[in-house]
Amino acid sequence: GAGVSQSPSNKVTEKGKDVELRCDPISGHTALYWYRQRLGQGLEFLIYFQGNSAPDKSGLPSDRFSAERTGESVSTLTIQRTQQEDSAVYLCASSFLGSPVETQYFGPGTRLLVL
Amino acid sequence: AQSVSQHNHHVILSEAASLELGCNYSYGGTVNLFWYVQYPGQHLQLLLKYFSGDPLVKGIKGFEAEFIKSKFSFNLRKPSVQWSDTAEYFCAVNAHGNEKLTFGTGTRLTIIP
Repeated sequence: GAGVSQSPSNKVTEKGKDVELRCDPISGHTALYWYRQRLGQGLEFLIYFQGNSAPDKSGLPSDRFSAERTGESVSTLTIQRTQQEDSAVYLCASSFLGSPVETQYFGPGTRLLVL
Repeated sequence: AQSVSQHNHHVILSEAASLELGCNYSYGGTVNLFWYVQYPGQHLQLLLKYFSGDPLVKGIKGFEAEFIKSKFSFNLRKPSVQWSDTAEYFCAVNAHGNEKLTFGTGTRLTIIP
Protein backbone atom coordinates (compact mmCIF):
# COMPACT_ATOMS: atom_id res chain seq x y z
CA GLY A 1 0.00 0.00 0.00
CA ALA A 2 0.88 3.63 -0.17
CA GLY A 3 1.36 4.13 3.54
CA VAL A 4 1.57 2.44 6.90
CA SER A 5 -1.73 0.89 7.91
CA GLN A 6 -2.88 -0.19 11.33
CA SER A 7 -5.82 -2.17 12.59
CA PRO A 8 -8.11 -1.90 14.35
CA SER A 9 -8.47 1.86 14.34
CA ASN A 10 -10.26 1.72 17.69
CA LYS A 11 -10.38 -0.97 20.35
CA VAL A 12 -12.36 -0.99 23.58
CA THR A 13 -11.60 -3.81 25.98
CA GLU A 14 -12.15 -4.77 29.55
CA LYS A 15 -9.42 -4.73 32.12
CA GLY A 16 -7.63 -8.07 32.24
CA LYS A 17 -8.27 -9.03 28.62
CA ASP A 18 -5.55 -9.48 26.02
CA VAL A 19 -5.43 -7.31 22.89
CA GLU A 20 -3.58 -7.61 19.62
CA LEU A 21 -2.74 -4.63 17.44
CA ARG A 22 -1.57 -4.97 13.87
CA CYS A 23 0.73 -2.90 11.71
CA ASP A 24 1.38 -3.20 7.97
CA PRO A 25 4.46 -1.18 7.08
CA ILE A 26 5.27 0.40 3.75
CA SER A 27 6.46 -2.27 1.33
CA GLY A 28 10.25 -2.46 1.23
CA HIS A 29 10.79 -0.71 4.53
CA THR A 30 13.25 -2.66 6.61
CA ALA A 31 12.66 -0.99 9.95
CA LEU A 32 9.47 -0.94 12.00
CA TYR A 33 8.74 0.90 15.24
CA TRP A 34 5.98 0.93 17.79
CA TYR A 35 5.24 4.01 19.88
CA ARG A 36 2.57 4.83 22.43
CA GLN A 37 0.94 8.19 23.01
CA ARG A 38 -0.99 8.66 26.21
CA LEU A 39 -3.36 11.58 26.59
CA GLY A 40 -1.49 14.87 26.93
CA GLN A 41 1.91 13.26 26.50
CA GLY A 42 4.43 12.85 23.74
CA LEU A 43 5.09 9.64 21.91
CA GLU A 44 6.97 6.99 23.86
CA PHE A 45 9.14 4.49 22.05
CA LEU A 46 8.18 0.88 22.69
CA ILE A 47 10.04 -1.47 20.35
CA TYR A 48 12.06 -1.43 17.13
CA PHE A 49 12.60 -4.13 14.50
CA GLN A 50 15.33 -3.94 11.88
CA GLY A 51 15.63 -6.73 9.36
CA ASN A 52 16.67 -10.00 10.94
CA SER A 53 18.41 -8.39 13.91
CA ALA A 54 17.15 -8.92 17.43
CA PRO A 55 14.50 -6.30 18.19
CA ASP A 56 15.24 -3.40 20.52
CA LYS A 57 12.69 -3.93 23.27
CA SER A 58 14.08 -1.32 25.61
CA GLY A 59 10.90 0.77 25.60
CA LEU A 60 8.41 -1.93 26.52
CA PRO A 61 6.89 -0.85 29.87
CA SER A 62 6.31 -4.33 31.28
CA ASP A 63 6.40 -8.02 30.41
CA ARG A 64 2.71 -7.80 29.54
CA PHE A 65 3.80 -6.14 26.31
CA SER A 66 5.30 -8.10 23.44
CA ALA A 67 5.63 -7.71 19.70
CA GLU A 68 6.49 -9.85 16.74
CA ARG A 69 7.36 -9.15 13.16
CA THR A 70 7.21 -11.58 10.29
CA GLY A 71 10.23 -10.99 8.09
CA GLU A 72 10.06 -7.44 6.82
CA SER A 73 6.30 -7.23 6.80
CA VAL A 74 3.47 -7.28 9.29
CA SER A 75 3.99 -6.69 12.98
CA THR A 76 1.71 -7.47 15.89
CA LEU A 77 1.84 -5.77 19.27
CA THR A 78 0.21 -7.82 22.02
CA ILE A 79 -0.80 -6.51 25.42
CA GLN A 80 -1.73 -9.18 27.93
CA ARG A 81 -3.96 -8.65 30.96
CA THR A 82 -4.66 -5.05 29.96
CA GLN A 83 -4.76 -2.35 32.62
CA GLN A 84 -6.49 1.03 32.49
CA GLU A 85 -3.13 2.78 32.22
CA ASP A 86 -2.59 0.97 28.91
CA SER A 87 -5.25 3.23 27.37
CA ALA A 88 -3.47 5.22 24.68
CA VAL A 89 -2.98 5.60 20.95
CA TYR A 90 -0.53 3.02 19.68
CA LEU A 91 1.38 4.20 16.63
CA CYS A 92 3.42 2.20 14.21
CA ALA A 93 6.07 3.65 11.93
CA SER A 94 8.32 2.20 9.26
CA SER A 95 11.44 3.40 7.51
CA PHE A 96 14.02 2.37 4.97
CA LEU A 97 17.52 2.34 6.42
CA GLY A 98 19.44 3.34 3.34
CA SER A 99 19.58 7.10 3.36
CA PRO A 100 21.81 9.31 5.53
CA VAL A 101 18.97 9.98 7.91
CA GLU A 102 15.99 7.74 7.70
CA THR A 103 12.53 9.21 7.92
CA GLN A 104 9.94 7.32 9.87
CA TYR A 105 6.50 7.18 8.26
CA PHE A 106 3.65 6.82 10.70
CA GLY A 107 0.38 4.98 10.51
CA PRO A 108 -2.94 6.36 11.73
CA GLY A 109 -2.68 4.59 15.07
CA THR A 110 -4.92 2.32 17.10
CA ARG A 111 -6.83 4.03 19.87
CA LEU A 112 -7.07 1.60 22.80
CA LEU A 113 -9.45 2.16 25.67
CA VAL A 114 -9.32 -0.19 28.64
CA LEU A 115 -12.41 -0.01 30.82
CA ALA B 1 19.32 9.08 27.39
CA GLN B 2 18.04 11.99 25.36
CA SER B 3 15.00 14.10 26.21
CA VAL B 4 13.05 16.78 24.36
CA SER B 5 11.23 19.78 25.80
CA GLN B 6 8.53 21.76 24.08
CA HIS B 7 7.58 24.54 26.44
CA ASN B 8 4.63 25.88 24.48
CA HIS B 9 1.70 23.56 25.04
CA HIS B 10 -0.92 25.57 23.18
CA VAL B 11 -0.29 28.55 20.92
CA ILE B 12 -3.07 30.66 19.44
CA LEU B 13 -2.29 33.07 16.61
CA SER B 14 -4.15 35.09 14.04
CA GLU B 15 -3.62 34.44 10.37
CA ALA B 16 -0.53 36.18 8.93
CA ALA B 17 1.18 36.29 12.32
CA SER B 18 4.72 34.96 12.60
CA LEU B 19 5.30 31.69 14.40
CA GLU B 20 8.11 30.32 16.49
CA LEU B 21 7.73 27.07 18.42
CA GLY B 22 10.45 26.18 20.87
CA CYS B 23 12.24 22.84 21.06
CA ASN B 24 15.17 22.03 23.33
CA TYR B 25 16.84 18.68 23.69
CA SER B 26 19.30 17.20 26.09
CA TYR B 27 21.93 14.85 24.78
CA GLY B 28 25.69 15.12 24.82
CA GLY B 29 26.43 13.52 21.46
CA THR B 30 25.57 14.09 17.84
CA VAL B 31 21.87 14.13 17.07
CA ASN B 32 19.39 14.18 14.24
CA LEU B 33 16.45 16.52 14.76
CA PHE B 34 12.94 16.38 13.38
CA TRP B 35 9.69 18.28 13.39
CA TYR B 36 6.54 16.27 12.77
CA VAL B 37 3.05 17.69 12.30
CA GLN B 38 -0.33 16.09 12.88
CA TYR B 39 -3.24 17.85 11.20
CA PRO B 40 -6.70 17.17 12.64
CA GLY B 41 -7.77 13.64 11.76
CA GLN B 42 -4.55 12.83 9.93
CA HIS B 43 -1.35 10.85 10.48
CA LEU B 44 1.85 12.26 11.87
CA GLN B 45 3.92 13.48 8.95
CA LEU B 46 7.43 14.83 8.64
CA LEU B 47 7.74 18.60 8.34
CA LEU B 48 11.53 18.84 8.20
CA LYS B 49 14.69 17.26 9.53
CA TYR B 50 18.29 18.14 10.29
CA PHE B 51 21.24 15.77 10.34
CA SER B 52 24.26 17.77 9.20
CA GLY B 53 25.36 20.78 7.18
CA ASP B 54 23.48 24.07 7.05
CA PRO B 55 21.82 24.53 10.46
CA LEU B 56 18.91 26.35 8.84
CA VAL B 57 16.61 23.72 7.42
CA LYS B 58 13.66 24.38 5.17
CA GLY B 59 10.66 22.09 5.11
CA ILE B 60 7.28 21.81 3.54
CA LYS B 61 4.59 24.49 3.57
CA GLY B 62 7.00 27.35 4.25
CA PHE B 63 8.29 26.06 7.58
CA GLU B 64 11.92 26.25 8.60
CA ALA B 65 13.91 25.38 11.69
CA GLU B 66 17.30 26.42 12.95
CA PHE B 67 19.65 24.12 14.83
CA ILE B 68 21.64 26.06 17.41
CA LYS B 69 24.06 23.57 18.90
CA SER B 70 25.23 25.82 21.72
CA LYS B 71 21.65 26.20 22.91
CA PHE B 72 20.59 22.60 22.23
CA SER B 73 17.65 24.08 20.35
CA PHE B 74 15.79 23.39 17.13
CA ASN B 75 13.02 25.97 16.99
CA LEU B 76 10.39 25.86 14.28
CA ARG B 77 9.46 29.05 12.46
CA LYS B 78 7.10 30.31 9.83
CA PRO B 79 6.93 34.00 8.85
CA SER B 80 3.19 34.10 8.12
CA VAL B 81 0.81 31.40 9.31
CA GLN B 82 -2.40 30.30 7.66
CA TRP B 83 -5.57 28.83 9.09
CA SER B 84 -4.57 25.49 7.53
CA ASP B 85 -1.51 25.36 9.82
CA THR B 86 -3.79 24.52 12.73
CA ALA B 87 -2.32 21.23 13.97
CA GLU B 88 -0.21 19.62 16.65
CA TYR B 89 3.55 19.93 16.20
CA PHE B 90 6.07 17.51 17.66
CA CYS B 91 9.79 17.93 17.93
CA ALA B 92 11.84 14.72 17.99
CA VAL B 93 15.46 13.70 18.27
CA ASN B 94 17.53 10.60 17.79
CA ALA B 95 21.18 10.02 18.39
CA HIS B 96 23.41 9.21 15.44
CA GLY B 97 23.35 5.45 15.02
CA ASN B 98 20.28 5.03 17.23
CA GLU B 99 17.15 5.13 15.15
CA LYS B 100 14.50 5.29 17.85
CA LEU B 101 12.99 8.74 18.23
CA THR B 102 12.45 10.65 21.45
CA PHE B 103 9.53 13.05 21.14
CA GLY B 104 8.51 16.18 22.95
CA THR B 105 5.01 16.44 24.37
CA GLY B 106 3.83 18.48 21.39
CA THR B 107 2.51 21.99 20.82
CA ARG B 108 -1.05 22.52 19.77
CA LEU B 109 -1.26 25.42 17.31
CA THR B 110 -4.59 27.11 16.68
CA ILE B 111 -4.83 29.72 13.94
CA ILE B 112 -7.75 32.10 14.10
CA PRO B 113 -8.99 33.23 10.69
